[in-house]
Amino acid sequence: AQSVTQLDSHVSVSEGTPVLLRCNYSSSYSPSLFWYVQHPNKGLQLLLKYTSAATLVKGINGFEAEFKKSETSFHLTKPSAHMSDAAEYFCVVSRSGNTPLVFGKGTRLSVIA
Amino acid sequence: GAVVSQHPSRVICKSGTSVKIECRSLDFQATTMFWYRQFPKKSLMLMATSNEGSKATYEQGVEKDKFLINHASLTLSTLTVTSAHPEDSSFYICSAPRASGTYEQYFGPGTRLTVT
Repeated sequence: AQSVTQLDSHVSVSEGTPVLLRCNYSSSYSPSLFWYVQHPNKGLQLLLKYTSAATLVKGINGFEAEFKKSETSFHLTKPSAHMSDAAEYFCVVSRSGNTPLVFGKGTRLSVIA
Repeated sequence: GAVVSQHPSRVICKSGTSVKIECRSLDFQATTMFWYRQFPKKSLMLMATSNEGSKATYEQGVEKDKFLINHASLTLSTLTVTSAHPEDSSFYICSAPRASGTYEQYFGPGTRLTVT
């Protein structure tokens, strides 16, 4: 079985400061891990993905995440928050490309001017 | 551009009526598609796996007679909410994996269903 735990339901940062959204995973298999973003009343957008290649993954809009097997973590970071980053972020685990994705509960990121 | 489309994007219907939502893969074939449901300010919950040429596989607690899934072709899956009730109001999202070895699934933009 696979699962992800997003450790914070809500994170609030000031514009221009770093962002850290935390995610821990559990998987019986070598997992594929993703971060998706969802803006209000919008669909899901893939930020980045880890599929057993480089452990430090760079995504769109300046986001990156590091896969740490020893800590079973896949935290999402960004050096400097922008107002447009305010959204809901989902950490997601998958066993393989043809199996359903398992979503974390989401972390709402607020960016204060 | 979008590789998975959903139609309609929004629908309002009266209690007791049925609503069909379409999910299409635009430039690839998908033998499998997934249907998710998202309640307001909540995460996505897998409802069922749609399989081309065979019956859908439903997750525990999802009524298969209420949420009818038909994978009509290699590019189309439909979800029909039968005898809709206000508690069925939700955001429904489909996804389709692309057989390219990248483990990435492509999501549709979602359908907002409101049952009055």
